Amino acid sequence: DQQVKQNSPSLSVQEGRISILNCDYTNSMFDYFLWYKKYPAEGPTFLISISSIKDKNEDGRFTVFLNKSAKHLSLHIVPSQPGDSAVYFCAQETSGSRLTFGEGTQLTVNP
Amino acid sequence: NAGVTQTPKFRVLKTGQSMTLLCAQDMNHEYMYWYRQDPGMGLRLIHYSVGEGTTAKGEVPDGYNVSRLKKQNFLLGLESAAPSQTSVYFCASSTRDRGTDTQYFGPGTRLTVL
Repeated sequence: DQQVKQNSPSLSVQEGRISILNCDYTNSMFDYFLWYKKYPAEGPTFLISISSIKDKNEDGRFTVFLNKSAKHLSLHIVPSQPGDSAVYFCAQETSGSRLTFGEGTQLTVNP
Repeated sequence: NAGVTQTPKFRVLKTGQSMTLLCAQDMNHEYMYWYRQDPGMGLRLIHYSVGEGTTAKGEVPDGYNVSRLKKQNFLLGLESAAPSQTSVYFCASSTRDRGTDTQYFGPGTRLTVL
């Protein structure tokens, strides 16, 4: 069973609008979450993280929200740019600094 | 700094052949990981290491072996390749510090098993 789930395989938005990527998790024992971005033919790169002591973390155009009661996190990108087109993975840190990843969401930002 | 590098970038094997994928990092990281990425399944952890000389199984370890003889290198071996091992393999490394242990990934190795 998938412990971290991204239910939307793809998302398409217009340049300048908001992109919202969603992620659900089942195991509330582990309280640190990360988002990674991946371009084709490259490895994933770290984007932003959040610990459960917060419900929001912001870094420039990227904001991650954590709703512990719903076991849900979301990544907001405002404003979206064509260069943001990539696959986005959410991940939960588990024991031993291991990461459990979601399936990924392909974001396409149209000019 | 080169970060995390992987060798080779591409490889085609026949069923039953063996090969070793090499991962190297120059960031003095304690932890290293091997993942595979398949369509619609995200990244799944194969094996990992929390220090030189140590290895541990991840989520999908069957058919793979690993070694960490030097801190900077983490090798992934396929003793008898199967078509189900066709995938893109990523290596990653991180420090041991909680909250800053972002994993840094290599560029990947695309493996096809015929």
